[in-house]
Amino acid sequence: DSGVTQTPKHLITATGQRVTLRCSPRSGDLSVYWYQQSLDQGLQFLIQYYNGEERAKGNILERFSAQQFPDLHSELNLSSLELGDSALYFCASSASPPGEQYFGPGTRLTVT
Amino acid sequence: AQSVSQHNHHVILSEAASLELGCNYSYGGTVNLFWYVQYPGQHLQLLLKYFSGDPLVKGIKGFEAEFIKSKFSFNLRKPSVQWSDTAEYFCAVYNTNAGKSTFGDGTTLTVKP
Repeated sequence: DSGVTQTPKHLITATGQRVTLRCSPRSGDLSVYWYQQSLDQGLQFLIQYYNGEERAKGNILERFSAQQFPDLHSELNLSSLELGDSALYFCASSASPPGEQYFGPGTRLTVT
Repeated sequence: AQSVSQHNHHVILSEAASLELGCNYSYGGTVNLFWYVQYPGQHLQLLLKYFSGDPLVKGIKGFEAEFIKSKFSFNLRKPSVQWSDTAEYFCAVYNTNAGKSTFGDGTTLTVKP
């Protein structure tokens, strides 16, 4: 158990819908990262937050957004969902530095 | 821009064979280096890490990695693999100046019993 929690574990929704994924980092970690993992794209970094501020952006679509709240939990919002958005979405947290990341169990999103 | 290359996309070995997975990175400044492992159906877990000091680091389950600064490499090794080592392995680099992590594309290791 890494100490990072993610909810929900599984999510099934239809195209065009909007969903929110939630992540609670390890106690004391200020950085939160979001990743998308699919069979064809591998592990893709989406976005990083540090103490409530956006720190780095990766391959995140405009239909996706995220935020980190004052209690340090983070939410990833996915809207206008497409079939291709079906994937595992991982959240990770770290104390910065040294950059070692602790991953949550992931949310499996299925878009039908 | 910082990048991480893992040269082997898929490696297939028999049990007891030796393993070496390559990892090279592009950033020339101070870095922290990591290998993560993702067993089938699970999330990524830290295998080992290098911050400073002895360039040969030992991790869990008999894995080790060597940091060669002149080659910008951090290759993962294991003398004798087991079927249970079947997993995907990711190399990651943390840029201490920018506070940014970059992951490689991953190497899938299949160990045949």
